[in-house]
Amino acid sequence: EAGVAQSPRYKIIEKRQSVAFWCNPISGHATLYWYQQILGQGPKLLIQFQNNGVVDDSQLPKDRFSAERLKGVDSTLKIQPAKLEDSAVYLCASSLFVLNSYNEQFFGPGTRLTVL
Amino acid sequence: GQQLNQSPQSMFIQEGEDVSMNCTSSSIFNTWLWYKQDPGEGPVLLIALYKAGELTSNGRLTAQFGITRKDSFLNISASIPSDVGIYFCAAHQPSNYQLIWGAGTKLIIKP
Repeated sequence: EAGVAQSPRYKIIEKRQSVAFWCNPISGHATLYWYQQILGQGPKLLIQFQNNGVVDDSQLPKDRFSAERLKGVDSTLKIQPAKLEDSAVYLCASSLFVLNSYNEQFFGPGTRLTVL
Repeated sequence: GQQLNQSPQSMFIQEGEDVSMNCTSSSIFNTWLWYKQDPGEGPVLLIALYKAGELTSNGRLTAQFGITRKDSFLNISASIPSDVGIYFCAAHQPSNYQLIWGAGTKLIIKP
């Protein structure tokens, strides 16, 4: 079974530029997560989708970050304009959905973003 | 907000040694998880714990869900070079099942 796919794997941009990341979850997984992982820290949830709807985006800096999952499968995360502090690994994860239960999350390899 | 305090931050060990790391919180959780992250990869689930007092093994790895539901530990016996990486504890928030994470323990094996 194919895992979570992410692209690109690496991206270097200058501050104030824009960037987009793409994620393809495991087939059949209704829930998709975007995490930001700053060096030396654990992942921090940015946004959680259930099919094509947003479940939680309370930690997404909405003035510069946006995400969509239009057809309930693939997702894109965009940053515009980027700041130096956005340098991090952006992880995508997916899981099945079982109500009121722990659903194991499967992670992609991440996109390492460097903002200069 | 809720936090997980993971220690130690890093460990330098000899091959063959046993390793122990732990995670504590002031909050109660229903599920504790231990992940490993290799360089350039996403975290991979090692062990999931669902019940206070539960002791679960996965090969050379053993993890326990603390009886108070506020802590967990992970032991690795007879470490080998491929154990190198960053180990994260994580726990599910009871309200929404979202994960919160520790800051990680970096395991380095001395040649």
